[in-house]
Amino acid sequence: DTGVSQDPRHKITKRGQNVTFRCDPISEHNRLYWYRQTLGQGPEFLTYFQNEAQLEKSRLLSDRFSAERPKGSFSTLEIQRTEQGDSAMYLCASSPRDRGWQETQYFGPGTRLLVL
Amino acid sequence: AQSVTQLDSQVPVFEEAPVELRCNYSSSVSVYLFWYVQYPNQGLQLLLKYLSGSTLVKGINGFEAEFNKSQTSFHLRKPSVHISDTAEYFCALYNQGGKLIFGQGTELSVKP
Repeated sequence: DTGVSQDPRHKITKRGQNVTFRCDPISEHNRLYWYRQTLGQGPEFLTYFQNEAQLEKSRLLSDRFSAERPKGSFSTLEIQRTEQGDSAMYLCASSPRDRGWQETQYFGPGTRLLVL
Repeated sequence: AQSVTQLDSQVPVFEEAPVELRCNYSSSVSVYLFWYVQYPNQGLQLLLKYLSGSTLVKGINGFEAEFNKSQTSFHLRKPSVHISDTAEYFCALYNQGGKLIFGQGTELSVKP
């Protein structure tokens, strides 16, 4: 069990550019979550997948944001036409789903995005 | 709507002193509550969780929390803190729709 990994760890981009982040969940975890954390705040839910199906999207996820999990394994989060307000830490988490219990979400180290 | 409020944004404390980090929640349905810790430039690590059963939950690193339904609280405690406990602590509840709802966080600063 190698834990949740995220790539890149840091990204600096200019306003208007597109960026893509990758998340590799813990093997065999079928749920994958994306959260955004701005400075001094707790993480806020963006979206989550069960296997390859995207089951819920937050209103925070504007049409510039898109997330995919094509084969039910890794996931990508793309931000198009980045804005300075997109600067944040983007966290990925995964969890198993077993017998309907609210399983623990295991978090990756995050990708810190800075939009200049 | 469900929400989590952490009552203290910063808690300074001396090493080996006891500490309590306060968390209140609002929910009209059964709750599942969590405490996570975040060290600088790292992701979140689970400290402990309450799903059901005993209201006193023990976690890692000597932390414990007590679920109080009448007070809608889930305060985190440690009887004696170490310098290494300096970190940001987040209380969260699990929304039955499948996501965690976090509080704003409490920065614990342990001084020698």
